[in-house]
Amino acid sequence: QLQLQESGPGLVKPSDTLSLTCTVSGGSITSGRSFWGWIRQPPGKGLEWIGSSSYRGNIYYNATLKSRITISADTSENQFSLKMSSVTAADTAVYYCTRLRYEDVWGIPRGAFDIWGQGTMVTVSS
Amino acid sequence: EIVLTQSPGTLSLSPGERVTLSCRASQSVDSSYLAWYQQKPGQAPRLLIYGASSRATGIPDRFSGSGSGTDFTLTITRLEPEDFAVYYCQQYGSSPYAFGQGTKLEIK
Repeated sequence: QLQLQESGPGLVKPSDTLSLTCTVSGGSITSGRSFWGWIRQPPGKGLEWIGSSSYRGNIYYNATLKSRITISADTSENQFSLKMSSVTAADTAVYYCTRLRYEDVWGIPRGAFDIWGQGTMVTVSS
Repeated sequence: EIVLTQSPGTLSLSPGERVTLSCRASQSVDSSYLAWYQQKPGQAPRLLIYGASSRATGIPDRFSGSGSGTDFTLTITRLEPEDFAVYYCQQYGSSPYAFGQGTKLEIK
């Protein structure tokens, strides 16, 4: 059974770079029809897609965040990661790593997020 | 960019009741690429429905989805105590993937 687990600092200073890693267990990130990515949820608020990447490096970002984020996959470690630069208090949120199981690709991979990590709270504060 | 609006914001119901949640898109969602998720406090969202009407693995048949174009619904035929949660719709037909603001289902 495929499982995802986020790891990384829970506290980041304003203007610094947030770095998170998601470890995939029970399966491989090279498995077919899968994109790996991140979704966040500010306290008490809704869900925001950040970006998703295939293991080959085909990456799709939310345009509102694109200038600040990098998503990459490491097949040797069966992990993928998120880096978000120049963080502010508005980036305080629970960050979830996710698998997108796509039905087709038409401009973007089109599929629902069928597997989620448990989430990790990241607070941006000095 | 597609905006999803869910209604109502909160619903107070009793176990055993039937409920229908609404999700309206600001423009047509390609090929009914619409999903529903359930989120309980302190937990990650769980996929319930994809493709507007297909149940995800392990989801009980009391959950059903329908709709196309701009109007979609999630129906729970007989509420169980564990169904009281927040429900989100999400479109994945075009970028950026977008979520609705959620409907909270609370026990009356």
